[in-house]
Amino acid sequence: GENVEQHPSTLSVQEGDSAVIKCTYSDSASNYFPWYKQELGKGPQLIIDIRSNVGEKKDQRIAVTLNKTAKHFSLHITETQPEDSAVYFCAASFNQFYFGTGTSLTVIP
Amino acid sequence: DAGVTQSPTHLIKTRGQHVTLRCSPISGHKSVSWYQQVLGQGPQFIFQYYEKEERGRGNFPDRFSARQFPNYSSELNVNALLLGDSALYLCASSLVGVSYEQYFGPGTRLTVT
Repeated sequence: GENVEQHPSTLSVQEGDSAVIKCTYSDSASNYFPWYKQELGKGPQLIIDIRSNVGEKKDQRIAVTLNKTAKHFSLHITETQPEDSAVYFCAASFNQFYFGTGTSLTVIP
Repeated sequence: DAGVTQSPTHLIKTRGQHVTLRCSPISGHKSVSWYQQVLGQGPQFIFQYYEKEERGRGNFPDRFSARQFPNYSSELNVNALLLGDSALYLCASSLVGVSYEQYFGPGTRLTVT
């Protein structure tokens, strides 16, 4: 089956700086790559996604890039704010979702 | 619009007991998936149902079962509970299959003592 690895496991940045979270996947059949934000006590919230026929997608301060050849994809958050603090999960999907182990992001005011 | 709803919010059970968790998808969504999230880890896929049929099953024992009703709501059942079943159980709904956007509910926190 698919194996998704996510790095780093924890990340601290100063408010206003950028944050980058990276994921790799193993199954070349995976064709859908969502990113979720999970706050304490809540379910994961879909923040951005990308399909395998697209290399980059941006939504305001959030962007995702995909390199199919290298089987890796990344989440980029610019101009970070304290409310961006949460755990972020990547996932890869073909016939089911496989999640990474999560990145705990702390934005220091 | 109402999002995915799950009940109950919290549940405490004893080893060996049975539990039923419930999920209502977003209106118009026909697919429901169930996930187990152990503290500090990413969600793990348990089941996917679409149009009331099982369309996918993760690597979980037969103690876990689920069904989807004509109104697309779903139940997850776990028999003979073990301590290791303690986790957050998440339900996600999507319009169709798993390669489409999935929206998660708040989860049911199950504690097995």
